[in-house]
Amino acid sequence: DAGVIQSPRHEVTEMGQEVTLRCKPISGHDYLFWYRQTMMRGLELLIYFNNNVPIDDSGMPEDRFSAKMPNASFSTLKIQPSEPRDSAVYFCASSFNGGWGTGQFFGPGTRLTVL
Amino acid sequence: QQPVQSPQAVILREGEDAVINCSSSKALYSVHWYRQKHGEAPVFLMILLKGGEQKGHDKISASFNEKKQQSSLYLTASQLSYSGTYFCGTAGSSNTGKLIFGQGTTLQVKP
Repeated sequence: DAGVIQSPRHEVTEMGQEVTLRCKPISGHDYLFWYRQTMMRGLELLIYFNNNVPIDDSGMPEDRFSAKMPNASFSTLKIQPSEPRDSAVYFCASSFNGGWGTGQFFGPGTRLTVL
Repeated sequence: QQPVQSPQAVILREGEDAVINCSSSKALYSVHWYRQKHGEAPVFLMILLKGGEQKGHDKISASFNEKKQQSSLYLTASQLSYSGTYFCGTAGSSNTGKLIFGQGTTLQVKP
């Protein structure tokens, strides 16, 4: 059974460019989470969806960030325009029923570098 | 709102024991523990729900004291494979999947 799939695994871009990160959750999972991890701020929740509906986006840093989940098997996190301070590892995670039994399953992450 | 973990880092020899603590200033419904190895994604270890239960997973166990809003992770007879960063994630209610993660505790087990 495939785990959470993220693409690309690495992204290097220049300041001001648009960046789109992609995630395919585990089939059957009804929750999807986007996290950002940096040394300074640790693991931060950006936004999460339940049944494709955004539930809490209070962690989205600013309007430059947006996330969508058009269907149960796909989600995107977009940064436009990107800035050097957005450099981080972005994780997508999914879970069934909030993860109360089996926790959240994390994808391998996308390492974003903004020059 | 972020839970506080202690210690920040610990170095052990194989076979030694360790305790990692997680404290919150808010009432908690559950505490989740994850381990992340360098360059990899966090991996779920266990969840503790309100009720003070203790759970075990091989030689790794945890407790949850909801009155004190604290959880502790116990690593017994540590192995090299236990090395990594341990995170606690806390949830304040049962009707949300949202977790707030602590800053992490780095554990290094040496031969």
